[in-house]
Amino acid sequence: QQQVKQSPQSLIVQKGGISIINCAYENTAFDYFPWYQQFPGKGPALLIAIRPDVSEKKEGRFTISFNKSAKQFSLHIMDSQPGDSATYFCAAQIKGGGNKLTFGTGTQLKVEL
Amino acid sequence: GAVVSQHPSRVICKSGTSVKIECRSLDFQATTMFWYRQFPKQSLMLMATSNEGSKATYEQGVEKDKFLINHASLTLSTLTVTSAHPEDSSFYICSARDPFTTSGGKWLETQYFGPGTRLLVL
Repeated sequence: QQQVKQSPQSLIVQKGGISIINCAYENTAFDYFPWYQQFPGKGPALLIAIRPDVSEKKEGRFTISFNKSAKQFSLHIMDSQPGDSATYFCAAQIKGGGNKLTFGTGTQLKVEL
Repeated sequence: GAVVSQHPSRVICKSGTSVKIECRSLDFQATTMFWYRQFPKQSLMLMATSNEGSKATYEQGVEKDKFLINHASLTLSTLTVTSAHPEDSSFYICSARDPFTTSGGKWLETQYFGPGTRLLVL
């Protein structure tokens, strides 16, 4: 199974709150999990990425939590700001799979004042 | 971080004509580039993998004769939409793999995306 399931489809968070987006996968051959942020009319920008040998990675306000046994990973945005309002995509890549990324369906985040 | 550019950023063309979109890696060499298509409020759909010096590999359902890909150098890949029709109107995004990105001593094989090209076929 190549699919990566992402939820929720949309999310509204108050400024200063925590935004949480979840992804799940089936294929245990995936070994690289990046998150991308996309603003309207722009290409996706790499936010943060993790490999399955660690359970958590933090960069600034962004944290990836990874649960290998459950085949789930999530993005946490701490102290969410209106400027974080964008669409977020999780993705997964198979080692030796030609570097192809399998994307989740996306989460539209809106951070309200 | 690595920068990928696309040109043009938006293009309007008449039905039946061909349109060429360029993707360039500006500060690194990319042996592999990818072309995606994205419809409004949808995820990215991989169209093809472009390898420098060899033929592109197309995903199932993507017409290779309609979407011509050329990866002429380590910094340039082009996508030509031939005989474009209104249903080809979409947002086309390329990405380039930086083979030298590392983190914690490991190669990340990170893909960096271009800003996208919005194509409208009348």
